[in-house]
Amino acid sequence: AQSVTQLDSQVPVFEEAPVELRCNYSSSVSVYLFWYVQYPNQGLQLLLKYLSGSTLVKGINGFEAEFNKSQTSFHLRKPSVHISDTAEYFCAVRTNTGNQFYFGTGTSLTVIP
Amino acid sequence: DTEVTQTPKHLVMGMTNKKSLKCEQHMGHRAMYWYKQKAKKPPELMFVYSYEKLSINESVPSRFSPECPNSSLLNLHLHALQPEDSALYLCASSQEGAQSNYGYTFGSGTRLTVV
Repeated sequence: AQSVTQLDSQVPVFEEAPVELRCNYSSSVSVYLFWYVQYPNQGLQLLLKYLSGSTLVKGINGFEAEFNKSQTSFHLRKPSVHISDTAEYFCAVRTNTGNQFYFGTGTSLTVIP
Repeated sequence: DTEVTQTPKHLVMGMTNKKSLKCEQHMGHRAMYWYKQKAKKPPELMFVYSYEKLSINESVPSRFSPECPNSSLLNLHLHALQPEDSALYLCASSQEGAQSNYGYTFGSGTRLTVV
């Protein structure tokens, strides 16, 4: 079975400061890893994904994430956040055999002016 | 066209009403999904359609009835809902098979309120 843990439910950070949102996963098979962002009253938008190859993945809006197989982690980072980054962020995994995503519980990022 | 379109965006219905949510995509995706999302919670999978056939039903109550009339459309028929069914209902689509790792494309959702 697969599971995803997002260790921080809420992360407040000042504007232009760096941020890291943590994600750890558990799986007995190979997985693909994703980060989604959800702005208020909207659907989920794909930020970035790790499928294979380079462990550092760059996404939209200046975000990047690093896959660490030994620590089973896929933390999301941004060197300098903007007010517009305030949103809910979901880490998700998907096995290489199935359609189903497994979502973490989400991290609410609040950027403070 | 790289979008999943959901209608209506907002819906208020009584517990005796019958209504339908609609979802449309023209990306050639052959897998489509319905998710339910409560506030500050992750999406919960309800149904998966693969090649227009229901492949996963996550023990959803029968007052929710999905339908996939063709490869571009997905409906969710609602009848005799309860107030606790109030939530954001998200539709998503994805490639199938070996290309399924591309991730889901989500619609912006239908905000449902049951009164």
